Amino acid sequence: DAGITQSPRHKVTETGTPVTLRCHQTENHRYMYWYRQDPGHGLRLIHYSYGVKDTDKGEVSDGYSVSRSKTEDFLLTLESATSSQTSVYFCAIRAGQISTDTQYFGPGTRLTVL
Amino acid sequence: AQSVTQLDSQVPVFEEAPVELRCNYSSSVSVYLFWYVQYPNQGLQLLLKYLSGSTLVKGINGFEAEFNKSQTSFHLRKPSVHISDTAEYFCAVSEDTDKLIFGTGTRLQVFP
Repeated sequence: DAGITQSPRHKVTETGTPVTLRCHQTENHRYMYWYRQDPGHGLRLIHYSYGVKDTDKGEVSDGYSVSRSKTEDFLLTLESATSSQTSVYFCAIRAGQISTDTQYFGPGTRLTVL
Repeated sequence: AQSVTQLDSQVPVFEEAPVELRCNYSSSVSVYLFWYVQYPNQGLQLLLKYLSGSTLVKGINGFEAEFNKSQTSFHLRKPSVHISDTAEYFCAVSEDTDKLIFGTGTRLQVFP
């Protein structure tokens, strides 16, 4: 599992509330990613990080922000959750230092916004 | 822009039968190609990848895939499936592994 944990694993929240999901890795990987998985869409990239305090947007970044203040943690925040953000969220790391290295995924967080 | 098409959303098959899961991609440059498997209520696990070299790639659990540049395809095959292969399979493409573009997935259902 490449030493990736996600917390919480399940969360139910209400529309308009802030939500923060945490991804933690133990192997000092530089690159970290947040994806969401929805039926009929596969996985789509939300944001990614290529180092401490270095982040960039992915395909579906609207309504999400991220922070990475230390190598091991990558936080995904929904400032004001909406029902369209109900999804399963996966964190991933890229192992290695060259562009051909592979992404490995965490166990996922199931978020329900009521 | 890159894109990935998995032509079958569901593939039912009987145990011990062969299976092929289809994946086509579009890209204007050289790509890296991946197959991931997701078992129920779990994260994605890398099955195999094509980076360069031999176009026939062997992965875990007896799966293999063939990169066909002229047909822009990367189909996944297994000669004899088991009940335990029931899962969702995702094809992904990248021009560099910073950003993976995933297909919509194929659900493989193996029946006894």
